[in-house]
Amino acid sequence: EVQLVESGGGLVQPGRSLRLSCAASGFTFDDYAMHWVRQAPGKGLEWVSGISWNSGSIGYADSVKGRFTISRDNAKNSLYLQMNSLRAEDTALYYCAKDISAGLGGGMSFDYWGQGTLVTVSS
Amino acid sequence: QSALTQPASVSGSPGQSITISCTGTSSDVGGYNYVSWYQQHPGKAPKLMIYEVSNRPSGVPDRFSGSKSGNTASLTISGLQAEDEADYYCSSYTSSSTLVVFGGGTKLTVL
Repeated sequence: EVQLVESGGGLVQPGRSLRLSCAASGFTFDDYAMHWVRQAPGKGLEWVSGISWNSGSIGYADSVKGRFTISRDNAKNSLYLQMNSLRAEDTALYYCAKDISAGLGGGMSFDYWGQGTLVTVSS
Repeated sequence: QSALTQPASVSGSPGQSITISCTGTSSDVGGYNYVSWYQQHPGKAPKLMIYEVSNRPSGVPDRFSGSKSGNTASLTISGLQAEDEADYYCSSYTSSSTLVVFGGGTKLTVL
């Protein structure tokens, strides 16, 4: 059974940093691209960042470019999101999602999702 | 404002069919066969219902189907059931620096 378990969310002041983690199991982690997708309270889905199977391709939404860094450790079956210079508008439930393919060149369909970790940016 | 445009709400009676549209541009929906549809029940994570315009993942009922014409993709649900009541989101690969764009979501009400 595929499982994605996010952690690391919490309440943080504007301008501070937070690191999210996603522990994956039930599939061959290094065969697939992985992504972070967020959902602000009561709002729709927003793609945040994606990383190919071997970390060779990485992409970011314009809204987080330069502030967030995605990474993965295939030996640990884990995905990460380092979030710096956090803003109030980054407040959201952050989902870890598995791609149906290995790269970022197309597809970009997410067949498994975690339950999310809530990030609240407030003073 | 979302990159892809969806109706805010649609409704239908049990057994009927409904269609949800998703309009983009030639840089996303119209330019690639990489449109996906997700179902999200309240308090739950999204679930992939359609990928690459018209493909259904294993386990998704064949009542759900997808199509595309020009810059507009569509999700059709036939034989509506009460459990289909949920929010539906489309997404597409895009040639912009933001690789994936979502629609704003459509709330489906089963009357």
